[in-house]
Amino acid sequence: KNQVEQSPQSLIILEGKNCTLQCNYTVSPFSNLRWYKQDTGRGPVSLTIMTFSENTKSNGRYTATLDADTKQSSLHITASQLSDSASYICVVSAGVGGGSYIPTFGRGTSLIVHP
Amino acid sequence: EAGVAQSPRYKIIEKRQSVAFWCNPISGHATLYWYQQILGQGPKLLIQFQNNGVVDDSQLPKDRFSAERLKGVDSTLKIQPAKLEDSAVYLCASSLRGLAGAPNTGELFFGEGSRLTVL
Repeated sequence: KNQVEQSPQSLIILEGKNCTLQCNYTVSPFSNLRWYKQDTGRGPVSLTIMTFSENTKSNGRYTATLDADTKQSSLHITASQLSDSASYICVVSAGVGGGSYIPTFGRGTSLIVHP
Repeated sequence: EAGVAQSPRYKIIEKRQSVAFWCNPISGHATLYWYQQILGQGPKLLIQFQNNGVVDDSQLPKDRFSAERLKGVDSTLKIQPAKLEDSAVYLCASSLRGLAGAPNTGELFFGEGSRLTVL
């Protein structure tokens, strides 16, 4: 059964500090891994996508890493801002052929940034 | 480009009543998903359509939930009869059917969700 585990479940940090969120997965056959940001009351929005051959990808203050051997990914947020307060969801997609994908969602990490 | 449209945004019903949610995906997106998100948890897939065919509905409680995408465009999710534990946000998402390995393939674009409260 495909699974995605995220840690920590919740995190509270002070504005300006860095933090790292973790994602472990068992998804086969692996196609890609995405990190989504979900603001309260909104739908999730994609931050980064990583395929099998990619180790690191950045999007502004967000940097995602992928270790396909250990099946782990991390999302590092640098110099956090109040607007970073949100839920961060790791989604790993399995390719099922014909251009179709089945994504498996983690439960998310709830990040709160305090001033 | 218009995003994924969902309605209604909020719905309050009593248990045993019925409710329907509507979703219009991004134009050209062949794949449509319905997710249930309970407060504090990640989205849980209910059903995935490819055009008007069902790819995965293994987690859809078929005794009370039904979904259709008759013309391969917009979709309706129905709950009848509703239970207290159905209180959640129902998210609709769509994605392109893309080439294997191509960048940005399979990105899910979500609507704002429909928040259901069952009393």
